[in-house]
Amino acid sequence: GAGVSQSPSNKVTEKGKDVELRCDPISGHTALYWYRQSLGQGLEFLIYFQGNSAPDKSGLPSDRFSAERTGGSVSTLTIQRTQQEDSAVYLCASSSIRLAGGYINEQFFGPGTRLTVL
Amino acid sequence: AQSVTQPDIHITVSEGASLELRCNYSYGATPYLFWYVQSPGQGLQLLLKYFSGDTLVQGIKGFEAEFKRSQSSFNLRKPSVHWSDAAEYFCAVGPSAGNMLTFGGGTRLMVKP
Repeated sequence: GAGVSQSPSNKVTEKGKDVELRCDPISGHTALYWYRQSLGQGLEFLIYFQGNSAPDKSGLPSDRFSAERTGGSVSTLTIQRTQQEDSAVYLCASSSIRLAGGYINEQFFGPGTRLTVL
Repeated sequence: AQSVTQPDIHITVSEGASLELRCNYSYGATPYLFWYVQSPGQGLQLLLKYFSGDTLVQGIKGFEAEFKRSQSSFNLRKPSVHWSDAAEYFCAVGPSAGNMLTFGGGTRLMVKP
């Protein structure tokens, strides 16, 4: 089946503009994650959605960052008033619910969106 | 707080040689451990995972990893490296609140012909 998809694959924007990044998770996966991968910072967790629960926003670096997940499927990460330090690859991942045996399913990652803020 | 350390930023090995990538973690409970590989311009692909049970886990592409609780380590190994293994490798630990993964800084593997 189809994996996690993200769009656009590349985005170049000017400082101060708003951007929206889209993630389509694997069908049926209830959990969705956003991570940011930047030079010198590695992979950082941003936000996590699980079903209908309130999202875990603990990783968002500032109030310029927000995300929503509509209908329990597609998610959009919005960055307002972009800054040069926002330049990074934004990765989305999805996973299915915790199994009855207590295991957590692994996360399946999309190819990422490379954001460049000029 | 949980953390993952990959001490080697870059490693170069000759094709056909054995490989070991180091990973040390800090985690307050039983860890779930993962190794992911990222080829240039690609997303992360899961190589293998450890949840419980046998401490030696087998993954895809001929990789294996051994969980050593006493050393807080989860090193990745491959007996014979292929040129196509050149990539960046990430060790990760989870879950925590929200089940997100905490990643190490990555190890970039280069393979000499």
